[in-house]
Amino acid sequence: EVMLVESGGGLVKPGGSLKLSCAASGFTFSSYAMSWVRQTPEKRLEWVATISSGGSYTYYPDSVKGRFTISRDNAKNTLYLQMSSLRSEDTAMYYCARQGYDGDFDYWGQGTTLTVSS
Amino acid sequence: QIVLTQSPAIMSASPGEKVTMTCSASSSISYMHWYQQKPGTSPKRWIYDTSKLASGVPARFSGSGSGTSYSLTISSMEAEDAATYYCHQRSSFTFGSGTKLEIK
Repeated sequence: EVMLVESGGGLVKPGGSLKLSCAASGFTFSSYAMSWVRQTPEKRLEWVATISSGGSYTYYPDSVKGRFTISRDNAKNTLYLQMSSLRSEDTAMYYCARQGYDGDFDYWGQGTTLTVSS
Repeated sequence: QIVLTQSPAIMSASPGEKVTMTCSASSSISYMHWYQQKPGTSPKRWIYDTSKLASGVPARFSGSGSGTSYSLTISSMEAEDAATYYCHQRSSFTFGSGTKLEIK
């Protein structure tokens, strides 16, 4: 059974930093690209970052480029999201998602909540 | 960036009723994906590559479309289908704003 378990969310002040983790199991982690997707309090879904299966390639939307860094440790079956210069608009539920071979997100974790507030 | 517009934003249907919701893309795309989300849970892959049903999705669901216009149809509404459905395209990883489907 594919499982993705996020952790590391919390309350952070504007301008602060936080690192999220996603522990993967039930599949060959190193064979899949992985992504982070967030859901805002208004329930809007936003893609945040994607990393290739081997970790060599990363992709970000302009809204987080330069502030967020996605990485992975294939030996530990773990995905990470380092977030810095956090803003109130980064407040959201952050989901780890597996990138299916069809280009969609075929499995999602249960999410971890980030709140950016003073 | 391709913008996806879903309509309607909210809809309700009676058990047994046929349901259709649409997703319009600002530019032509090759495929559309759909996710189902119920309150307090994470999104689930529901329909991928426009018309392929994800594992476990009932056959009353179908997806269709091409170019800039795509749709998700339920042939006969059931109470368990009440949820929010999001469309998604892989070119620029954008999502629609969702259609909330309620049971009457």
